[in-house]
Amino acid sequence: EVPLVQSGAEVKKPGESLKISCKGSGNSFSGYWIGWVRQMPGKGLEWMGIIYPGDSDSRISPSFQGQVTISVDKSISTAYLQWSSLRASDSAMYYCGRVVRGGPFDSWGQGTLVTVSS
Amino acid sequence: EIVMTQSPATLSVSPGERATLSCRASQSISSLLAWYQQKPGQAPRLLIHDASTRATGIPARFSGSGSGTDFTLTISSLQSEDFAVYYCQQYHSWPRGTFGQGTKVEIK
Repeated sequence: EVPLVQSGAEVKKPGESLKISCKGSGNSFSGYWIGWVRQMPGKGLEWMGIIYPGDSDSRISPSFQGQVTISVDKSISTAYLQWSSLRASDSAMYYCGRVVRGGPFDSWGQGTLVTVSS
Repeated sequence: EIVMTQSPATLSVSPGERATLSCRASQSISSLLAWYQQKPGQAPRLLIHDASTRATGIPARFSGSGSGTDFTLTISSLQSEDFAVYYCQQYHSWPRGTFGQGTKVEIK
């Protein structure tokens, strides 16, 4: 069983909007938080934010505050990462991961590659 | 924000040798530290949590130690599949967490 499955790669133009998804299976959502991590080309991991599907409680890193929105639809066990106006600098691989409260990421989605280019 | 600093940036090791990776926190994080392994084109994989507890299915050659601000990941005898990038992450400031910049373990 694959706990988290992410939506496919996206190619967008600057200024466009985008919403990528992370779908849980089985019990992969129940009782867990879902976090998002950015990895720019050839770079390291950056913690973006996290959301609890049970009550949609969310926290976003100050580095990403105002740049992205994190949401969830618990009825379909799916978390989302959304941009209203993409920039070229948003080009990166984005991973979602499952987090036990107070703990690390114990499993990860396969990643969604976002390319923003005119 | 807690800053995590890993060293060295690159570690060249021969197969079968021991690898020692370091991670330092800018303030005490108790034992709330994880280590991840990432291979090219793959998502990260949790190796160690709570500084020294191996995650499910992780071989015993991987061990973690440390508390407070200084932590170490040791790979006792490097196998070919262990050449990868390793990241530490603190979750003391949960739900916010920060990663180190990574250490690449390459074949010498």
